[in-house]
Amino acid sequence: EAAVTQSPRNKVTVTGGNVTLSCRQTNSHNYMYWYRQDTGHGLRLIHYSYGAGNLQIGDVPDGYKATRTTQEDFFLLLELASPSQTSLYFCASSDAAAEQFFGPGTRLTVL
Amino acid sequence: QQQVRQSSQSLTVWEGETAILNCSYENSAFDYFPWYQQFPGEGPALLIAIRSVSDKKEDGRFTIFFNKREKNLSLHIKDSQPGDSATYFCAARPGLSGSFNKLTFGAGTRLAVCP
Repeated sequence: EAAVTQSPRNKVTVTGGNVTLSCRQTNSHNYMYWYRQDTGHGLRLIHYSYGAGNLQIGDVPDGYKATRTTQEDFFLLLELASPSQTSLYFCASSDAAAEQFFGPGTRLTVL
Repeated sequence: QQQVRQSSQSLTVWEGETAILNCSYENSAFDYFPWYQQFPGEGPALLIAIRSVSDKKEDGRFTIFFNKREKNLSLHIKDSQPGDSATYFCAARPGLSGSFNKLTFGAGTRLAVCP
């Protein structure tokens, strides 16, 4: 079974702060995804990637950058955090046509 | 524009009843519909999925009924147990060509099963 880990699990920052969320998967999946989860909206796709160095824009990309450094590691960057980015963030991985496996999530609070 | 819509934000049933969670979609290109289950403090996990060529998919106490003409589907949880209390997300994906396995999720239905 795929293992997806995220760090940190909780993060508090201030408006304008710089935040990096990390995700690692250990099942050799090509695809990785970053979602945010908000009440009333479900899971919304921010960015995704199908391999090291590849990046695709998701449905809610504004204010976020992402980088896929290796097949295992996918990072989400908030360079000027705003209160509207307070959310629960999930990373997921999958093979091309298969089930997405989710990590445990990172709760981010922007004061 | 909400492409995948779940009709109830929350649902409460008694233990032993059948819980019915409804979902509808707009994009005719969607052809794969997974349901994810999420417990508090955890990430979502795949529960059951159906492709648009089928009208029913069963896995133990969980059944998806799919109506392609009406663009809706429902998840039936038979003999509901308190351990089924969770949030359920309906999701959809177009045919694989060009989609990069990109899922669109509904807003979720929080199910509470009372003992």
